[in-house]
Amino acid sequence: AQSVTQLGSHVSVSEGALVLLRCNYSSSVPPYLFWYVQYPNQGLQLLLKYTSAATLVKGINGFEAEFKKSETSFHLTKPSAHMSDAAEYFCAVSAADMRFGAGTRLTVKP
Amino acid sequence: GAGVSQSPSNKVTEKGKDVELRCDPISGHTALYWYRQSLGQGLEFLIYFQGNSAPDKSGLPSDRFSAERTGGSVSTLTIQRTQQEDSAVYLCASSDRDRETTEAFFGQGTRLTVV
Repeated sequence: AQSVTQLGSHVSVSEGALVLLRCNYSSSVPPYLFWYVQYPNQGLQLLLKYTSAATLVKGINGFEAEFKKSETSFHLTKPSAHMSDAAEYFCAVSAADMRFGAGTRLTVKP
Repeated sequence: GAGVSQSPSNKVTEKGKDVELRCDPISGHTALYWYRQSLGQGLEFLIYFQGNSAPDKSGLPSDRFSAERTGGSVSTLTIQRTQQEDSAVYLCASSDRDRETTEAFFGQGTRLTVV
C-alpha cells in the first residue's frame, strides 16, 4: 500500500518569507500526488496535482510543487507567504487508493 | 449532484448508540472514500469503494465500524455501540477512477460527538 510522510506538523513563517512544506511518499507503482489545503472551519480543496506530465507543478494562490522520483518527494513551496495562506496542508498519494499525510499547519506571522 | 453531500452535518449521540452517516458522491464518480479527522489530526483512511466493492477494509478501526455502497452511488458508514473516542469529523470524498489522474472531491463532513 502507498503512504505519505509530512515532515513537520507545524511550520511558522513571516509574511513575505519562503514557504516550504515537505512531503515524502512511498508507492510500489508510479503514483499520482496531490496537495490539499484546509482553511479554518472549511472543507478540503485541491491546491495542485502531479500527473506525470511535468515534474514542476503550479497550483492556485502561487503555490508550486516539484516531483523528485529519486528522492520520493513532492515538496510544496511558495516564494512569498501571505497572511491568507495560514491553513492546514495535506499531501496525498493515489495508487491503489488515496492516502493522506498527517498534515502541516502553516502559521504566517505579520 | 454538484458536489459531494454528507448528512447529517452534525450528530450528537449518546455512548452506546448506533449512528449512520450518509454520503452522496458526485454523479458518475466510481470511487468513494471515507476518512476520519480527529481534532488536530490528519486524515485517517477508513475505507475505499470502487463501484460497490471495497477492496481494502483494513482501515476500519474496529468491528463496530462498517460501510456499504449501493448502486455505485450512495454510501453509508455505520458505527455501532459508539464510544467517546469515535468523536471526530467523518469525511467522504469521491473521484472518477476511470480517469486516475483526477483528484478526490470532498464533502463538508459529518461532525460526530459522542457524549
